[in-house]
Amino acid sequence: DAKTTQPNSMESNEEEPVHLPCNHSTISGTDYIHWYRQLPSQGPEYVIHGLTSNVNNRMASLAIAEDRKSSTLILHRATLRDAAVYYCILAGGYQKVTFGTGTKLQVIP
Amino acid sequence: KAGVTQTPRYLIKTRGQQVTLSCSPISGHRSVSWYQQTPGQGLQFLFEYFSETQRNKGNFPGRFSGRQFSNSRSEMNVSTLELGDSALYLCASSLESTGDTLELFFGEGSRLTVL
Repeated sequence: DAKTTQPNSMESNEEEPVHLPCNHSTISGTDYIHWYRQLPSQGPEYVIHGLTSNVNNRMASLAIAEDRKSSTLILHRATLRDAAVYYCILAGGYQKVTFGTGTKLQVIP
Repeated sequence: KAGVTQTPRYLIKTRGQQVTLSCSPISGHRSVSWYQQTPGQGLQFLFEYFSETQRNKGNFPGRFSGRQFSNSRSEMNVSTLELGDSALYLCASSLESTGDTLELFFGEGSRLTVL
């Protein structure tokens, strides 16, 4: 299975941008990069996904390295509600999806 | 549109018993996957069903099993419960499970405590 590596935890000040990194050096050409986040006491929720090009949606932006071996989830202005565990996962074809332990983001008021 | 519904939300069992958890996916979703979440191991994939067929299975012992019905509802069963099975069991549904279409919608989970 393709694996991802993320820092265990990160901190950000409120209303500042946050860049959450993810390494996936064994990514295959057909793997999409997905990000989910899990708020306290909730199931994970979808954030964004992409293949090669950078992607934007109302929640975040996804920057994908040219060699696709790493990506960065960008929260443009962190709020207290963004405090969560963020998971970077790879999905391609009909395969089991491995979440890993994610990055716990703490937002400081 | 109703979300993913998991029942029961909480349950307590004793070692050696068995448990059945239920998951009703979002209407129209044909893929249902199950995850175990514990503080030490994070989210671990159990299995995924699509149109009543198990397509993928994680690295769990045979005590963990599941099935999917024709209406896409799914159940998972754990037999001969062990203390280490105490966890939050999450169900997720999606239209499909390929790379571009994989948008998982999770339920709130069933929290199992084994005494």
